[in-house]
Amino acid sequence: DAGVIQSPRHEVTEMGQEVTLRCKPISGHDYLFWYRQTMMRGLELLIYFNNNVPIDDSGMPEDRFSAKMPNASFSTLKIQPSEPRDSAVYFCASSFGTHSNEQFFGPGTRLTVL
Amino acid sequence: EDKVVQSPLSLVVHEGDTVTLNCSYEVTNFRSLLWYKQEKKAPTFLFMLTSSGIEKKSGRLSSILDKKELFSILNITATQTGDSAVYLCAVCTVEYGNKLVFGAGTILRVKS
Repeated sequence: DAGVIQSPRHEVTEMGQEVTLRCKPISGHDYLFWYRQTMMRGLELLIYFNNNVPIDDSGMPEDRFSAKMPNASFSTLKIQPSEPRDSAVYFCASSFGTHSNEQFFGPGTRLTVL
Repeated sequence: EDKVVQSPLSLVVHEGDTVTLNCSYEVTNFRSLLWYKQEKKAPTFLFMLTSSGIEKKSGRLSSILDKKELFSILNITATQTGDSAVYLCAVCTVEYGNKLVFGAGTILRVKS
């Protein structure tokens, strides 16, 4: 299995630009999570989906952030407009079932907003 | 607000030493506690603990949970330089689903 796939791996953009991060979960997994990691705040859950439906988006910082999961094999996290304080590593993770809490993480996207 | 606190924040030891990492939690609903290891990339799963007093072991790593005192420890014996990483503790806080609340992590550096 290829594991969780994220793209791009690195993104450098200018303030005000739209940024789209992509994730392909492990096939068969029914939960998908988006996290943000910074030195100051550690690993924070932004939003998670179950069977493509958003379950909890209470961690999404502002209206500038949005996430979609149009099908079981693809999700996007969009930031529009981006700001320098959005600079972080964004991880996508997936898991299977309600009784297994183990989440498998993708390699992350390192976002730098200038 | 759900809270997971890890200590120490960072630790430097020599190869061969034994280390103990701590994780305490205050959450409204506890379902399980997980430990992850993060090197210069994504976190990788180590253990999941659901019951008090039952030690989970994998090689030189072991972990135990105390649900009465609301904490867990991760032990690493005979440390090696390859153990250098950030160790993350997370608690699953929902009855159904897999929402995890992560601690800030402990940075471990093992010197040769």
